[in-house]
This record gives sequence, structure tokens and C-alpha cells, in this order.
Amino acid sequence: DTEVTQTPKHLVMGMTNKKSLKCEQHMGHRAMYWYKQKAKKPPELMFVYSYEKLSINESVPSRFSPECPNSSLLNLHLHALQPEDSALYLCASSQTSGSTDTQYFGPGTRLTVL
Amino acid sequence: AQKITQTQPGMFVQEKEAVTLDCTYDTSDQSYGLFWYKQPSSGEMIFLIYQGSYDEQNATEGRYSLNFQKARKSANLVISASQLGDSAMYFCAMRDITGFQKLVFGTGTRLLVSP
Repeated sequence: DTEVTQTPKHLVMGMTNKKSLKCEQHMGHRAMYWYKQKAKKPPELMFVYSYEKLSINESVPSRFSPECPNSSLLNLHLHALQPEDSALYLCASSQTSGSTDTQYFGPGTRLTVL
Repeated sequence: AQKITQTQPGMFVQEKEAVTLDCTYDTSDQSYGLFWYKQPSSGEMIFLIYQGSYDEQNATEGRYSLNFQKARKSANLVISASQLGDSAMYFCAMRDITGFQKLVFGTGTRLLVSP
């Protein structure tokens, strides 16, 4: 089973709201990722967690705050977002963060910031 | 630095025909992984096939095969017997040692399969 789940599927929020995106995997993977994808563009890496520790932050603004409560869960907390943050947010996981490990993606959350 | 190039913004193919999607890459590492993903309009990134830099055989997964030419640094995806459900965006991606944990994507090729 190579399933990664994400909730919610769609989210509309105002610039003053606080919301969270959730990602879950039960494949025993020890690396988890957040990507942002704008329309007609490839995904861009935001954060990497390896063994529940943040190992990469791609200079993401602090209004995005990741959290990895345990090895199966990954959250992305959103606060004071801007309209340009509207995008598809994809979560992924892989066995480890090694270069030959396949990343499996969830269905994504389509975020609209008004 | 890693780089992935997909030169075909769009491709058209008739149902039941084969199609090749091009991908070239650039890396100075000897150890790297090459991946192809399919993204339908629903948005989910679906893993299709993987090729490791040390793999001597071309990877195959059902109707998908990877034409790996290491010296030319190309990793083209071949889809045999296209189906209407194959219409989607296809991304080539790479991870290498220097790039650490990053999966770098190409710009993608949109494939349209017609009846």
C-alpha cells in the first residue's frame, strides 16, 4: 500500500485566518515532505522532515509553519497568508531521504486565500 | 547543480499508439535516481517508474518503460498502447547525492490521448 492521505481536499481562507493542513502515511516511511505547486508549474519543495526532525526549510516564509508530531503525521500550519499563497499543497513520503528512495504523494490540498 | 529538462510542452497521441516523452538531466554525481510522475487534472502526483543510475537494465512497469541512456544523460518515458486515461501532465524528476534530499522536477509535458 502506497497511500498518503491529505485533508482537507479544498480550503478557502481569509488573510487573517489560521488553518492547518494534515498529511498522514502508514507505510513506515521516515521522511516526509511538503511541496507547493502553482498552476502549470512543477512542484516546489518547501520542507523536509527526516526521522521527525526538520532537515530542510527552503527559505519558506514564517507564515507557513510545519510540524511532525510523529512518524506518520505531518502538519502545515497556516497564518496570515497572502493571496499569492493560493496553490496546490502536496505532501509526500519516502522510506528515507536517500537519493534513490521513491517519494509517494498525497492527493493534495487546493488552497485559496482571499 | 541538478537540472531536469523536458523540451516537449505538449504531445498528442492516438489511442493504442505508443508515445515517447523526453527527459534529459544534468548532474555531476555518480549516484542518482530518476523518476517519472503522472499528474491528472485532479492534482495527485502518481509515481510511475524509477531508474537508478547504477541500474544496467531499463526499468519497466506494465505499459511504462524508461529508455535510459546514461552517456547522453537522457531518461525518456515510453508509454505503450496509450489509453484515454493517460491524458495528463507528466513530470520527470531526479534526486542526487549533491542535492541531498531534494527531488528536482522538470517543467512537465502535457499528453493528450485522442480516440
